[in-house]
Amino acid sequence: GAGVSQSPRYKVAKRGQDVALRCDPISGHVSLFWYQQALGQGPEFLTYFQNEAQLDKSGLPSDRFFAERPEGSVSTLKIQRTQQEDSAVYLCASSPKREGPYNEQFFGPGTRLTVL
Amino acid sequence: AQSVAQPEDQVNVAEGNPLTVKCTYSVSGNPYLFWYVQYPNRGLQFLLKYITGDNLVKGSYGFEAEFNKSQTSFHLKKPSALVSDSALYFCAGSGGYQKVTFGTGTKLQVIP
Repeated sequence: GAGVSQSPRYKVAKRGQDVALRCDPISGHVSLFWYQQALGQGPEFLTYFQNEAQLDKSGLPSDRFFAERPEGSVSTLKIQRTQQEDSAVYLCASSPKREGPYNEQFFGPGTRLTVL
Repeated sequence: AQSVAQPEDQVNVAEGNPLTVKCTYSVSGNPYLFWYVQYPNRGLQFLLKYITGDNLVKGSYGFEAEFNKSQTSFHLKKPSALVSDSALYFCAGSGGYQKVTFGTGTKLQVIP
């Protein structure tokens, strides 16, 4: 079956622009995660959804970052007024179970954001 | 705060030899530990996990990991390395109902 998909795969933004990154999880997966992966680093947790409920957003680095999953399937990560330090790969992952942090996650290919 | 450490940026091993990729963790409560692999231009793929039970966990592609509570370690192992195992490996962990924390990754290079 289809895995987790993310779009766009690559995004170049000028500093100050707003961007929206999309994640299509595996159908029926309850849990959805967003991570930020800087070059040479491991993924850093941003936020976690269980269906449409955002249960943990403690990893969002500033109020410029906003995520939603209004119908409990597709999710969008929005970054307002992008800064150069936002340049990274943004990973989305989903898990079939409610207890997302306890279980294996299925990762998408990521969106590479470059802010000029 | 919980943390996961991978002390080696890179591990080189000859094809056919056993391999070990090290990981140590610090979490509160019972640890939930994972290994993921990342191939170039591909997303992270789950290899194995430890929740409770046997300290030796078997996973995909012949990999296994040994959980050691006293040493707070969860090293990844394989008895005989393949060139195709060359990739970036991430250890990850969580304590209780908390976010998953990833290590910085270890590049495994298997030399033919």
